[in-house]
Amino acid sequence: QKEVEQNSGPLSVPEGAIASLNCTYSDRGSQSFFWYRQYSGKSPELIMFIYSNGDKEDGRFTAQLNKASQYVSLLIRDSQPSDSATYLCAATTGGFKTIFGAGTRLFVKA
Amino acid sequence: DVKVTQSSRYLVKRTGEKVFLECVQDMDHENMFWYRQDPGLGLRLIYFSYDVKMKEKGDIPEGYSVSREKKERFSLILESASTNQTSMYLCASNQEAEGNTIYFGEGSWLTVV
Repeated sequence: QKEVEQNSGPLSVPEGAIASLNCTYSDRGSQSFFWYRQYSGKSPELIMFIYSNGDKEDGRFTAQLNKASQYVSLLIRDSQPSDSATYLCAATTGGFKTIFGAGTRLFVKA
Repeated sequence: DVKVTQSSRYLVKRTGEKVFLECVQDMDHENMFWYRQDPGLGLRLIYFSYDVKMKEKGDIPEGYSVSREKKERFSLILESASTNQTSMYLCASNQEAEGNTIYFGEGSWLTVV
């Protein structure tokens, strides 16, 4: 069974701190990796994706990928209370098969 | 922007009723998906379709069927709703040429009583 594992949390950080969310995946054939944010009662929305080893930055968000360790992370700098949500990690080996993690709940304390 | 529209946001149905959940995407995506999401279980794939009239079972297809008569429309059917099908249902679409990013609809909350 191919899996994407995330710590369910909750992860609690103070406002202004860096939040670090982690994810591991089991399928070495995974090619693309995604981070989604999901507010309570809402559908997931894409934050960013990453294909290549290393870091990818988009505003306050940085995704990190290490294929050798099968590890993906998301850093949120200057965390805001509005960042409080569940963050889903996903990995895909192709157009049809995307595996989602169960999500990490993040709380940013004002 | 990609738009995936689920026409029914909140439904309450009785056990044994037939339920249709409709989904339309406006970006000409080849692939469409139906997931359900339950607390503690994450997103689970019910069915997906990679072309008109084509469908493939996902991880939890039992009790569900789907229909894709047009490229932009993918319907989920519960032939005889049961209380354990109470859940949030998410429709999604993607295109391999766009990096496989999955775009979700707003979700349909189904309660079966």
